[in-house]
Amino acid sequence: EPEVTQTPSHQVTQMGQEVILRCVPISNHLYFYWYRQILGQKVEFLVSFYNNEISEKSEIFDDQFSVERPDGSNFTLKIRSTKLEDSAMYFCASSESEPNTEAFFGQGTRLTVV
Amino acid sequence: DAKTTQPNSMESNEEEPVHLPCNHSTISGTDYIHWYRQLPSQGPEYVIHGLTSNVNNRMASLAIAEDRKSSTLILHRATLRDAAVYYCILRDDRTSGTYKYIFGTGTRLKVLA
Repeated sequence: EPEVTQTPSHQVTQMGQEVILRCVPISNHLYFYWYRQILGQKVEFLVSFYNNEISEKSEIFDDQFSVERPDGSNFTLKIRSTKLEDSAMYFCASSESEPNTEAFFGQGTRLTVV
Repeated sequence: DAKTTQPNSMESNEEEPVHLPCNHSTISGTDYIHWYRQLPSQGPEYVIHGLTSNVNNRMASLAIAEDRKSSTLILHRATLRDAAVYYCILRDDRTSGTYKYIFGTGTRLKVLA
């Protein structure tokens, strides 16, 4: 069964450092998403990406965040200068082109900012 | 996206059916009802979705009230692997351009051996 793959599974970084979280969506999918989940809290939408541009972003997704699809297979989330409160699980998801279809989520990257 | 209300937690015995309720009294005509679950330490996983008619798939059944103000996710025979947080989410699949999900707190299902 096709799956969304995220790397690394766990990343520890120092406050103020840049991190890049990587995702390989399912190959024929066209919509891509990043969500995050702070420990013990809800899953929160960060950003959606379609046709090589951001289609929607939440208030959380400020100027410190950026997304990119550099080579047609990877989908990355960059946090430019990490803060302690960025510590969370980050989930990548993808879905097919049509509406009324489900999203497939990766297993997540646990980001710990120290 | 319209709001949903779910019980915080439920318990079930293994191999018995489980009915997980969801209230969505402010649902609009273009909102689809989606169910996802999140097993411990994993990403959310699609379970089922529907608009008006009841739906069945290999994982579960979705029973939708005639007025669409509530729905019930039915697991026919709960197993220990079904212990998870179950999310009922409304999403406008007809006019929304991004198809994002807004997750609530969900129902934590405990399955007792």
